[in-house]
Parts: sequence; structure tokens; C-alpha cells
Amino acid sequence: SQQGEEDPQALSIQEGENATMNCSYKTSINNLQWYRQNSGRGLVHLILIRSNEREKHSGRLRVTLDTSKKSSSLLITASRAADTASYFCATDGYGNEKLTFGTGTRLTIIP
Amino acid sequence: EAGVTQSPTHLIKTRGQQATLRCSPISGHTSVYWYQQALGLGLQFLLWYDEGEERNRGNFPPRFSGRQFPNYSSELNVNALELEDSALYLCASGWGQASNQPQHFGDGTRLSIL
Repeated sequence: SQQGEEDPQALSIQEGENATMNCSYKTSINNLQWYRQNSGRGLVHLILIRSNEREKHSGRLRVTLDTSKKSSSLLITASRAADTASYFCATDGYGNEKLTFGTGTRLTIIP
Repeated sequence: EAGVTQSPTHLIKTRGQQATLRCSPISGHTSVYWYQQALGLGLQFLLWYDEGEERNRGNFPPRFSGRQFPNYSSELNVNALELEDSALYLCASGWGQASNQPQHFGDGTRLSIL
């Protein structure tokens, strides 16, 4: 079963609005990562947040982590057409070397 | 700096055949990770190679195998191809353990089984 599950599965918003995606996971983690995938391409790393961090920013991206609820959120502010992509969270199980990816949120920005 | 490169871009095979997919990591990276992305199923971890050794393996049958060469490039072999092997196969590179560092992905090989 997937360690990370993104919600919603699909999201459409107007350009300029903010987009929020959520990720829930099942077991304790060391780190959680967010990636973006444009259609038919490889994944691009966005942010890595460690289990002892609660919030992290990178440009228009803000990631939060709540280990008590085993959840994370990715906020994209002032969305642009170029943000149209699928977004994945990836987690490690505690003591686990590998990353486990969710099924992703497909974000569409309407110009 | 050249990114992760994968070849071929597309590969069409028939059931029962064998497929070989190749990956060249970013210069200086010693680890290569392979993932399968089937339609609607997200990424499934396949294999992790580091310093020429297989370090970890996902829940895939033995007909999925691979190796890492002295120059850290890697190939993934899939034997006795089945229809459900149709997917995008992604390679990523990094240093050592994947969980505590960003992974750098190639654009994948799309494998289609007819």
C-alpha cells in the first residue's frame, strides 16, 4: 500500500489563486519530500522537510508538516499556468532507505 | 551540468520478450534508483544501486533485475515481458540513501508491451 496519499486527486483553479494539496502517510518518517511532474516528464524536486521541522518555504511554495497527524500540505501561492502539473509527496519509513510516493494531485491552472 | 539521461525514450516490445533500459546519472552521483510509474498507480520503487551494489529492492518479481557499472551508469532488465509491465520507467540519481536528499530524475523510458 502507498505510504503517502495525496488529496485531492485533481484540482483546477484560476491563475493567480492559491493551490493547496495535502498528503497523509501511515508510519513515522524521517523526512518528507514534494515533487512536481510535468506531463510525460521526470519528477522535479521541490522541497524536503525533516520530521523535526514544521514549516518550510521556497519561493512561492510553502510546506507544512504535522507529524502528530501524519500529514503534510503544499501551498502554491499566486499560481501560474506553468504550475500545471502533477504533485507528489514522498516519504521514508523510519529506518527505511527508500522513498515511497503517493499517487499524486493533478493541478490545472486555468489562464 | 548534464542531468540524468535515460535511453531509449520509447520502447515497444511484445509479450515474452526482454527489455533493457539505460540510465546515466549526474556526474559525481554514486547512486541510481529505478521506479515504475504505471498509469494511475504513482511511482513504485524498483531498485537502488550504490557504488556498484544492489542496496534495496522493491516488491517486484525476479524478472526485474539490473546492474550498475563502474562509471555509475545503470541498466534495468525486464525479462519475460507481460502486458502489465507497460509503464514509464524512471531513473533517479543521488548520493547514497534516497530518503534524506533530493532525487534527480531523468525523463524516463516509456515501455509499451503489445
